[in-house]
Amino acid sequence: TQLLEQSPQFLSIQEGENLTVYCNSSSVFSSLQWYRQEPGEGPVLLVTVVTGGEVKKLKRLTFQFGDARKDSSLHITAAQPGDTGLYLCAGVTGANNLFFGTGTRLTVIP
Amino acid sequence: NAGVMQNPRHLVRRRGQEARLRCSPMKGHSHVYWYRQLPEEGLKFMVYLQKENIIDESGMPKERFSAEFPKEGPSILRIQQVVRGDSAAYFCASSPSRTGLEAFFGQGTRLTVV
Repeated sequence: TQLLEQSPQFLSIQEGENLTVYCNSSSVFSSLQWYRQEPGEGPVLLVTVVTGGEVKKLKRLTFQFGDARKDSSLHITAAQPGDTGLYLCAGVTGANNLFFGTGTRLTVIP
Repeated sequence: NAGVMQNPRHLVRRRGQEARLRCSPMKGHSHVYWYRQLPEEGLKFMVYLQKENIIDESGMPKERFSAEFPKEGPSILRIQQVVRGDSAAYFCASSPSRTGLEAFFGQGTRLTVV
């Protein structure tokens, strides 16, 4: 089982602030995904990054895949209360398996 | 195209009973993954199946737990002789059989062992 550590585990910020969530592993992945999960629901895929060093933007969210394909970051600009949720990174292995990170619980206070 | 369907949404079992969790993947998807989640934690991988085959079961306890994905019908995660520690949310995800994994999740089954 691949281990992906996310930091911070919990994050509470004011509306309008910026934040970055980190996902780190000692394993190399063929791609890395970020999901968001609402209470009582399954995770929903936000983005997949495939190439080392790749940067993808989704409105106010910026995702980066590390050069060595072992780590990733999620940056949110001008956070809004609607961004509140559990953010999960997940690494895709060469065998097409999917392993999840430890999760970051984000709370954006209006 | 219906999404991934899991049932039941909530399941209560007494210690020692059996729990059967069902997952119907999206149409055309032949890969199924099962995960377990405790409150405020990430998803812990349990088992990865393709039609009629277990690809990776390294995350599943050796005893009491089993999974199948038959040629016809849903994938089943079976927990025999449940204990209180089995209480958790169990999620399944499905993916089409092509390169580039894109997993779609069901809403989960919340198992409570009393």
